[in-house]
Amino acid sequence: DIQMTQSPSSLSASVGDRVTITCRASQSIGSYLNWYQLKPGKAPKLLFYAASTLQSGVPSGFSGSGSGTDFTLTISGLQPEDSAIYYCQQSYSTPLTFGGGTKVEI
Amino acid sequence: EVEMVESGGGLVQPGRSLRLSCAASGFTFDDYAMHWVRQAPGEGLEWVSGISWNSANIGYADSVKGRFTISRDNAKNSLYLQMNSLRAEDTALYYCAKDFSTGLDAFHIWGQGTMVTVSS
Repeated sequence: DIQMTQSPSSLSASVGDRVTITCRASQSIGSYLNWYQLKPGKAPKLLFYAASTLQSGVPSGFSGSGSGTDFTLTISGLQPEDSAIYYCQQSYSTPLTFGGGTKVEI
Repeated sequence: EVEMVESGGGLVQPGRSLRLSCAASGFTFDDYAMHWVRQAPGEGLEWVSGISWNSANIGYADSVKGRFTISRDNAKNSLYLQMNSLRAEDTALYYCAKDFSTGLDAFHIWGQGTMVTVSS
């Protein structure tokens, strides 16, 4: 199984800051990497597909990059509504696996 | 509007069975793979199982293989998860999710989830 490791597990930042979350795969997964945002009481939301394809409705301050084993999710100009837990997920092979999550506090 | 509505969750004793259902609407159901993803209390996300658009490709997490069975009825726009031999560690919020494509890929749109509690 492919293991996904996210760092940091949590971070605290201020409105307007730029934050970066890292996701590392235990083997090369090409660009088969997706990012999700979870907020309490809400359905999870897909942010990026295939590492860097921004999904409709996601603010442009979000960006995704990477390939192979190392990937990043960057939030530029952090907003209060960005407070959430962010997960990466590999879709290279089954079982599909998630990273452990990164809690972002504003 | 694309929507998935899960049902069938509840309190069940260890070793018993439960069947979850997911009613989908707002898209052509048989054009997409579908999944079950769960989140245990205080824990992260875990993919449970996925099924391709035509049921030809099915996958399971190691933790549920042999106990859970996923299925779909394209005529009814519905996804199911038969859960047998339930354990305390299966306690979680179970989400139904529409894939981005026909195969097992990304979780594009999610339902609100149905809670399963396994306890005596």
